[in-house]
Amino acid sequence: EVQLVESGGGLVQPGSSLKLSCVASGFTFSSYNMHWIRQAPKKGLEWIALIYYDSSNKYYADSVKGRFTISRDNSKNTLYLEMNSLRSEDTAMYYCAKGEDWFAYWGQGTLVTVSS
Amino acid sequence: DTVLTQSPALAVSPGERVSISCRASEGVNSYMHWYQQKPGQQPKLLIYKASNLASGVPARFSGSGSGTDFTLTIDPVEADDTATYFCQQSWNDPYTFGAGTKLELK
Repeated sequence: EVQLVESGGGLVQPGSSLKLSCVASGFTFSSYNMHWIRQAPKKGLEWIALIYYDSSNKYYADSVKGRFTISRDNSKNTLYLEMNSLRSEDTAMYYCAKGEDWFAYWGQGTLVTVSS
Repeated sequence: DTVLTQSPALAVSPGERVSISCRASEGVNSYMHWYQQKPGQQPKLLIYKASNLASGVPARFSGSGSGTDFTLTIDPVEADDTATYFCQQSWNDPYTFGAGTKLELK
C-alpha cells in the first residue's frame, strides 16, 4: 500500500525558514517523480514543486521560485521542501504527492502557518 | 498560466445525475484530471486523462471532454458524494487546478 507521510509544519514568523519532510513507503520511491502541492485555508489547490526521480530536474511555481527548494534522499525514501523567507501568503496545508501528470497518491498534509 | 473555471457550487438530490464542468483558458488536449476532497481530508483522484476511472473509484463517476471543455458526471449521486470537486490540467506548464465545485445534497 502506498503511503506518504508529511511532517515538519508549524507556526513560524514571517521571514523565517522551515523544512518539510515526506516519508514514502509501499512503492519504489527512487523510480518516481514527486511533487509538493499546497492548499491555503478554505482555498483551492496550488502545485508548487516537482522533482524528478533522480533529482536531475526540479521545477517550481513562480510564487515560490527562489524561496523554496525541493529535494529528495532516495536512500531514505524521503522528499523534502525547504522553505525560506516565508510570507503570510505561504500559510497552507502542504501535501506531497506521487504521480506524473496526475496525482494518484497524496499524503495527509502538514500545516504551515506564517504569522507574527 | 492555464486558468480552469468551475462553477462554485451545485445542489442535487440523492439518486439524481449531476454534471460538474471545467473550462480551460487554453487547450489541454485530454490532460484533465478530477479529484474529490472531503473536509479535513486530502484530495482523492477520481478520473485521469479526461475519461479514465482511477483504481477503486465507483463506476457512478465518469469523465468526458477534450480541448477546453470537460465534465465530471456522477450518476446516481449518493449522500457520501458530498464534497468539493477539483479539476487539474497537466498539458501546459505549470500544472493548475480549478477553484473547486462544492457539491451539496438536498
